[in-house]
Amino acid sequence: NAGVTQTPKFRILKIGQSMTLQCAQDMNHNYMYWYRQDPGMGLKLIYYSVGAGITDKGEVPNGYNVSRSTTEDFPLRLELAAPSQTSVYFCASSYSGLAGGNEQFFGPGTRLTVL
Amino acid sequence: AQTVTQSQPEMSVQEAETVTLSCTYDTSENNYYLFWYKQPPSRQMILVIRQEAYKQQNATENRFSVNFQKAAKSFSLKISDSQLGDTAMYFCAFIDSGGSNYKLTFGKGTLLTVNP
Repeated sequence: NAGVTQTPKFRILKIGQSMTLQCAQDMNHNYMYWYRQDPGMGLKLIYYSVGAGITDKGEVPNGYNVSRSTTEDFPLRLELAAPSQTSVYFCASSYSGLAGGNEQFFGPGTRLTVL
Repeated sequence: AQTVTQSQPEMSVQEAETVTLSCTYDTSENNYYLFWYKQPPSRQMILVIRQEAYKQQNATENRFSVNFQKAAKSFSLKISDSQLGDTAMYFCAFIDSGGSNYKLTFGKGTLLTVNP
């Protein structure tokens, strides 16, 4: 099992550009999540999905979009990149909801800089 | 709203010694889960230990144990026999068992350095 994989590892964008951060998991997990981690801060939830075709907003969704066409993939789209989106982005998955104490499995992260 | 506070931004410990990382949280709920996640320099976050609030016995995983004080809303992590590989950022996290299935609240983290 590769677990949760993310591409790319690093990316520099210019203001106004767009890009898609890829995330895939091979554990047949229903739940998937996107977080951002700013320096000195904990993780903030951007979007989450409870299954293919179902997505919903987290705490900080503005400027981002997601889709979930398959169980395995959960890409995050940045439209019109802004310097405020400079951050490290983590994708995560879990077999079921977190309220039952289930473990989240995290990807290695994507470090994004917007100049 | 729940909050999680980690009051120690950085800590260091000598190899083979014991260190305790603190975490406090604020909630009006009675049943919930608490977690400690470890984020090593390679950045992939992994679960260290979890505790369900209604269980009075403190969770233990090998060299890692917690001191869960429900009344005080405190959830500290003790690492015994510290190893160089324990160097990482440690995050405390909380979720309400009766709430949403996705709203995990993280603290800001404690950077632990294990010195040889």
